[in-house]
Amino acid sequence: EDQVTQSPEALRLQEGESSSLNCSYTVSGLRGLFWYRQDPGKGPEFLFTLYSAGEEKEKERLKATLTKKESFLHITAPKPEDSATYLCAVPLTGGGNKLTFGTGTQLKVEL
Amino acid sequence: DAGVIQSPRHEVTEMGQEVTLRCKPISGHNSLFWYRQTMMRGLELLIYFNNNVPIDDSGMPEDRFSAKMPNASFSTLKIQPSEPRDSAVYFCASSLQGAIGNQPQHFGDGTRLSIL
Repeated sequence: EDQVTQSPEALRLQEGESSSLNCSYTVSGLRGLFWYRQDPGKGPEFLFTLYSAGEEKEKERLKATLTKKESFLHITAPKPEDSATYLCAVPLTGGGNKLTFGTGTQLKVEL
Repeated sequence: DAGVIQSPRHEVTEMGQEVTLRCKPISGHNSLFWYRQTMMRGLELLIYFNNNVPIDDSGMPEDRFSAKMPNASFSTLKIQPSEPRDSAVYFCASSLQGAIGNQPQHFGDGTRLSIL
C-alpha cells in the first residue's frame, strides 16, 4: 500500500537555527514528489517537485533533496515567516493524477 | 495570474440542508481535484476530473456527495443532505497534466464548512 510519512509532527526552532524535515514514502515507480507549504486559513502552496534520486531544488532558505526512500526539506537560518505546515505528496502507484499527502510537519520559528 | 478561486470561503448551515461549493480552476489547466481536510484525517482526495470528465470518485464518502464539471472553467461539489460530520475545509486544486511526469497541483484557499 502506498504510504507517505512525515516527521516530526511538530518542530519549534529559534530564528537562525537550521534543521530538516523528513518525508518517507513507499510507492512503486516514483513519478515525482511534491512539497507544499500551508499557512493557517490558506490552501497548500506549491514549493518543489523532485523526480529522481539525487535531485535537489532550492528556494530562498529552503532546499529539498530526494533519495530512493525519502525526501528532506532543509531549512537554513529560518525566520519567523517560515512558520507554516509543510506537506509532502506523491502520486499513487498505478498511474493517474491522484496524490497521497503526508500529515505534515508544523514548523514554528521563534525570535 | 489568477489562481484557483473557490466560493464561498465560509459556509455555516443546518443539518439536512443542501450545500454547494464552487471552484474556478486556473485557466488552461485540464485537471481538477476536490479535497477535504480535517485534523483527524488530513488532506483526502474526493474526486478528480481530466478534461471535464470524472476519472476517479473513489474518495467520495457517500451518495450524499456529488461533483460536476460542466465546462473547463467551473466545477461544483454538492452535499445533500448535509450532516455534522461533513464539517471540514474543502479545497479545489487544478493542474496541467501532460504526457511527461506529474505536474504540481495548485490549490485554492478552500471553503470552511460547518454543519450544525
